[in-house]
Amino acid sequence: NAGVTQTPKFQVLKTGQSMTLQCAQDMNHEYMSWYRQDPGMGLRLIHYSVGAGITDQGEVPNGYNVSRSTTEDFPLRLLSAAPSQTSVYFCASSRGSSNEQFFGPGTRLTVL
Amino acid sequence: RKEVEQDPGPFNVPEGATVAFNCTYSNSASQSFFWYRQDCRKEPKLLMSVYSSGNEDGRFTAQLNRASQYISLLIRDSKLSDSATYLCVLLGGGADGLTFGKGTHLIIQP
Repeated sequence: NAGVTQTPKFQVLKTGQSMTLQCAQDMNHEYMSWYRQDPGMGLRLIHYSVGAGITDQGEVPNGYNVSRSTTEDFPLRLLSAAPSQTSVYFCASSRGSSNEQFFGPGTRLTVL
Repeated sequence: RKEVEQDPGPFNVPEGATVAFNCTYSNSASQSFFWYRQDCRKEPKLLMSVYSSGNEDGRFTAQLNRASQYISLLIRDSKLSDSATYLCVLLGGGADGLTFGKGTHLIIQP
């Protein structure tokens, strides 16, 4: 099993550009989530999904969209990138919200 | 009071020593508690869950004190490979899903 995979590993964007961060898992997990990690801030939940077709907002959802058309995939879309979105983004999956979360390797995003 | 608070450290500890750190939480309704480990520039990984009666996994011991609203992690006979950031994580801390502390940075010195 590959576990949780994320692409790309690194990305540089200009302000106003849009892009999609990809996340996929092969463990048949129902629960998937996106976090951002900033220095001194810890991990903060952006969006999460409890199953295909269901998504909900986390602590810091503004500027991001998600969709969950399949159990395996949970892409995160930045609509119009801003420098404040410079961060490391982690995708995670688990059987449920209270179970062990498996994280992907992260995407390091810089917005200029 | 912040939802989850940890001393950021760094804790500089000689190899072989015992080290312990705590994490305090503000929401008494928090249901589940975990310690995750994060190596530099890597993703977090589950170290251990924390049970009400306390639990041990090899050199690691986790405790929960609901009355005082803190959890602790004790590492015995520390190894160089224990150097990492340890994240206190809880479920039901006020936000949807898991709430992460900012982490305690541990450095084991030879």
